[in-house]
Amino acid sequence: QVQVQQWGAGLSKPSETLSLTCAVSGGSLSGYYWNWIRRSPGKGLEWIGEINHSGTTNYNPSLKSRVTMSVDTSKNSLSLNLQSVTAADTAVYYCAARFGRGRYYYYGMDVWGQGTTVTVSS
Amino acid sequence: QSVLTQPPSVSGAPGQRVTISCTGSRSNIGAPYDVHWYQHLPGKAPKLIIQGDTSRPSGVPDRFSASRSGTSASLAITGLQAEDEAVYYCESFDNSLSGFWVFGGGTKLTVL
Repeated sequence: QVQVQQWGAGLSKPSETLSLTCAVSGGSLSGYYWNWIRRSPGKGLEWIGEINHSGTTNYNPSLKSRVTMSVDTSKNSLSLNLQSVTAADTAVYYCAARFGRGRYYYYGMDVWGQGTTVTVSS
Repeated sequence: QSVLTQPPSVSGAPGQRVTISCTGSRSNIGAPYDVHWYQHLPGKAPKLIIQGDTSRPSGVPDRFSASRSGTSASLAITGLQAEDEAVYYCESFDNSLSGFWVFGGGTKLTVL
């Protein structure tokens, strides 16, 4: 069973770049779509984007201009960079896996990281 | 404003049945793209409880079930238990713009 462990800086200053990493164990990156999701205080879940093992990405249109996702197959890990952060980017960030073979839309995200709390403040 | 609309809250007594609705449009649920449901307990990662409209992943109790019709979907929980108190989210794919995944705003279930 694939598992994920995530980490990154818990505090960012406004206008800086938020960086988070997710390491995959118990399997490889291939065969899944790797997603980043966040939950801001008082709000619901927001899908940030996804990446597959080949590096093909799909981003939320509302964040697309500031988001970069990448994979490192040698380390079996993936990363999220969010540029020019503001207080509105304060949230718990999750990485999660969606099975990527067969009917793409059929599968939900069934493997989740533990979450990383990121606060944007000067 | 979420692309998928859920009621902010529902409640029920232990043992009762509750339903949570998720209303979308022709670019997502009505396209039709599959609907997934997640349970989010405080301090924990969300948990997938329904995928592919109606399918329960292994280990999810059969007290959880779901359905869909047109541009809407619904999650039902029977035999309510205190441990079911959580926020529930629906998710689907939206084909507007370049296509992206969307969540509902979330529904807080309170077990009275």
